[in-house]
Amino acid sequence: DTGVSQNPRHKITKRGQNVTFRCDPISEHNRLYWYRQTLGQGPEFLTYFQNEAQLEKSRLLSDRFSAERPKGSFSTLEIQRTEQGDSAMYLCASSPGGGPRGETQYFGPGTRLLVL
Amino acid sequence: KQEVTQIPAALSVPEGENLVLNCSFTDSAIYNLQWFRQDPGKGLTSLLLIQSSQREQTSGRLNASLDKSSGRSTLYIAASQPGDSATYLCAVTLTSGTYKYIFGTGTRLKVLA
Repeated sequence: DTGVSQNPRHKITKRGQNVTFRCDPISEHNRLYWYRQTLGQGPEFLTYFQNEAQLEKSRLLSDRFSAERPKGSFSTLEIQRTEQGDSAMYLCASSPGGGPRGETQYFGPGTRLLVL
Repeated sequence: KQEVTQIPAALSVPEGENLVLNCSFTDSAIYNLQWFRQDPGKGLTSLLLIQSSQREQTSGRLNASLDKSSGRSTLYIAASQPGDSATYLCAVTLTSGTYKYIFGTGTRLKVLA
């Protein structure tokens, strides 16, 4: 296992279309995070899963956003009716949990979304 | 609400210079602090992780310090090289159950050959 993977790496879509991103965490990592990063800013937390349970959602995650992690493995982030303001880099991270070192998050390469 | 600030926002130095990047946070109740490197259009590469009980961590030419009581961390880069050019981000982990990261806005470093 070489780390967290995300697909696609780049996505260009027209306003109003739906898009879905996938994140495959490091195997046996039970914690999974999604972050969003806009140009010139640091990443901002979107949502968190422990195994298959979504335990926290940021107020940044509007009703148009939904995330799932079926069976506690990979996760998907869907954006419905995309808006130009959704253009950003979407980052996924995972951690094994269980103690201080276990909370270190390992980040994927990100999915860059451009909404035209 | 935890806020993380990084100063300066951008820095340009000649090759070989030692430099210090600063990170400050408003709430000292952190679980740990991590420094990342981000190349343009890429994901995050972890550089150093400091647990809340630690004062510093070192890796090669990098040294990160943490002063929880004053809400500050510094990243020291010795003998800078053009390959060090990137954006450096610091992030703190809250002591809540989710351990989510709160990031600063980053320092954009350019090392001139």
